[in-house]
Amino acid sequence: NAGVTQTPKFQVLKTGQSMTLQCAQDMNHNSMYWYRQDPGMGLRLIYYSASEGTTDKGEVPNGYNVSRLNKREFSLRLESAAPSQTSVYFCASSEGDSRYGYTFGSGTRLTVV
Amino acid sequence: SQQGEEDPQALSIQEGENATMNCSYKTSINNLQWYRQNSGRGLVHLILIRSNEREKHSGRLRVTLDTSKKSSSLLITASRAADTASYFCATDIMDSNYQLIWGAGTKLIIKP
Repeated sequence: NAGVTQTPKFQVLKTGQSMTLQCAQDMNHNSMYWYRQDPGMGLRLIYYSASEGTTDKGEVPNGYNVSRLNKREFSLRLESAAPSQTSVYFCASSEGDSRYGYTFGSGTRLTVV
Repeated sequence: SQQGEEDPQALSIQEGENATMNCSYKTSINNLQWYRQNSGRGLVHLILIRSNEREKHSGRLRVTLDTSKKSSSLLITASRAADTASYFCATDIMDSNYQLIWGAGTKLIIKP
């Protein structure tokens, strides 16, 4: 099983450019999440989707938008990238809410110059 | 400040020794989860312990939870080089169904 697949693995953007990070899971999970990981800090939740058709803001949503395209796919969009968005982005999925363990993708390393 | 805080920040031990990492948190929880992250990779779920549980085992891993002290520990017995990774605790706080709160992690190095 592939689990959670993220694309791309690496990306360099110029300030002001836009891009979409893609995430797909094949475990029939209901919930999906986008996190960012910065050095010396824990993961911070950007957005989550409790179920198909719903999305909600997490701890650090500013500068991002998301789309739950279907049960499998959850994308993260940066409309106008800023250097402060340089980070490693992880997508995760779970059967339901945070009572369940999460399955993570391998991450996207994004650099904004 | 962060809900979950791991201690120590870094730990270096010899292969074969036991490794213990601790996690403290501030508010009441539904469960606490431990994850491993190898360098440059995604996080892998290790163990979930619920607030009404005191101890849980999985292979060489043992997790304890003390809700009175708001703390948890992760013990890895008979460590191996492959255990070299960062370990994170994440707390599922009450009334926040979809938002795990993460610590900054413990970096574990196993020396051969």
